[in-house]
Amino acid sequence: EAQVTQNPRYLITVTGKKLTVTCSQNMNHEYMSWYRQDPGLGLRQIYYSMNVEVTDKGDVPEGYKVSRKEKRNFPLILESPSPNQTSLYFCASSPERTANYGYTFGSGTRLTVV
Amino acid sequence: AQSVTQLGSHVSVSEGALVLLRCNYSSSVPPYLFWYVQYPNQGLQLLLKYTTGATLVKGINGFEAEFKKSETSFHLTKPSAHMSDAAEYFCAVSVSSGGYQKVTFGTGTKLQVIP
Repeated sequence: EAQVTQNPRYLITVTGKKLTVTCSQNMNHEYMSWYRQDPGLGLRQIYYSMNVEVTDKGDVPEGYKVSRKEKRNFPLILESPSPNQTSLYFCASSPERTANYGYTFGSGTRLTVV
Repeated sequence: AQSVTQLGSHVSVSEGALVLLRCNYSSSVPPYLFWYVQYPNQGLQLLLKYTTGATLVKGINGFEAEFKKSETSFHLTKPSAHMSDAAEYFCAVSVSSGGYQKVTFGTGTKLQVIP
């Protein structure tokens, strides 16, 4: 089944403890991106990648890191999480080197930082 | 820079009534436009998209949207609401120019369908 897989689905952590949320897609998509969803704010783009080893900042990149060493994987790293990073996170991918084809989304990761 | 405005964070319709969810955008270059649906505790699913060509776009589940350049609008409609349409709907605009690529989402509209 063609899909974007995120892990974990739920995560509770403490302030300052490094964490990684994984994202993998099995559709050979070029473009991948991370979003956070907060009530009343919709989805805001954190980082995106148009190709292996090519990443760029979105609207809210502060406090996050990403890497794209392989085409299928695009992990999101929080080096020192803070409570304001409590949110619902989505990974998404798109077939071409832009997002103009439309996204396939993962099921989301609900992160709580205490 | 582009932006997306969805009018109405909550919309209620009766079952069988017309669904109209409003989306206006701004963009300095020709945009690609999308509607996504999010059911509770799920990720977003693509409903329909406008790239180029025909301005009336048909999507899944009986939804359609019309791109009106003069009004910078991309409203989502469905002639007859069904209970299963209750969800949150997001409008999005994608712009790419040279090495620049950006996707911006609206803040969402929650659709309630009343029996």
